[in-house]
Amino acid sequence: SQTIHQWPATLVQPVGSPLSLECTVEGTSNPNLYWYRQAAGRGLQLLFYSVGIGQISSEVPQNLSASRPQDRQFILSSKKLLLSDSGFYLCAWDERGLGSRSGANVLTFGAGSRLTVL
Amino acid sequence: SQKIEQNSEALNIQEGKTATLTCNYTNYSPAYLQWYRQDPGRGPVFLLLIRENEKEKRKERLKVTFDTTLKQSLFHITASQPADSATYLCALGQYSTLTFGKGTMLLVSP
Repeated sequence: SQTIHQWPATLVQPVGSPLSLECTVEGTSNPNLYWYRQAAGRGLQLLFYSVGIGQISSEVPQNLSASRPQDRQFILSSKKLLLSDSGFYLCAWDERGLGSRSGANVLTFGAGSRLTVL
Repeated sequence: SQKIEQNSEALNIQEGKTATLTCNYTNYSPAYLQWYRQDPGRGPVFLLLIRENEKEKRKERLKVTFDTTLKQSLFHITASQPADSATYLCALGQYSTLTFGKGTMLLVSP
């Protein structure tokens, strides 16, 4: 069966420090991978998605970046964190081929990483 | 701009009653709509999907309706239980990605 792992679960970082969150998926190949952020009182905001190794699409301009060095590995990074980067970061995957209007992508989420920037 | 609205206030109901949650949207023509459940400190979990050409979908005690004319989806939990207490998110899909609402917290009291 497929599983998704995300770490670290919790971290507290000072403003200006770097960030690296990692996500891996097991039991599937060539998944679509996503990074979402959920800030307090706000909905899930899509940050990045990837349809394959080295292919990253950014939905929101910010000081974050994403990379996909391997088929089932997705990394969220920042060189210098801002206070506004605090939030709950969620990695997710699906198998649907993108581009079909009605091909529904059902997401499976990781357990999340709670980031507090002080 | 696209907008998805879910009741921001928590819905409090008594065990055994039917809970009904609402998802309204504007400036959007989704091909499908999904409902997810999210427990505190956890990632959302998929519950149901309904497509634009479907009126209603059921799964055990769950029922979802989708009215593309009203631009609204209703999510029902019948015979609710305290274990159903969680935040429920609706998500609209078209082509490549999902857009999520902020969610409605449901509290079922014994």
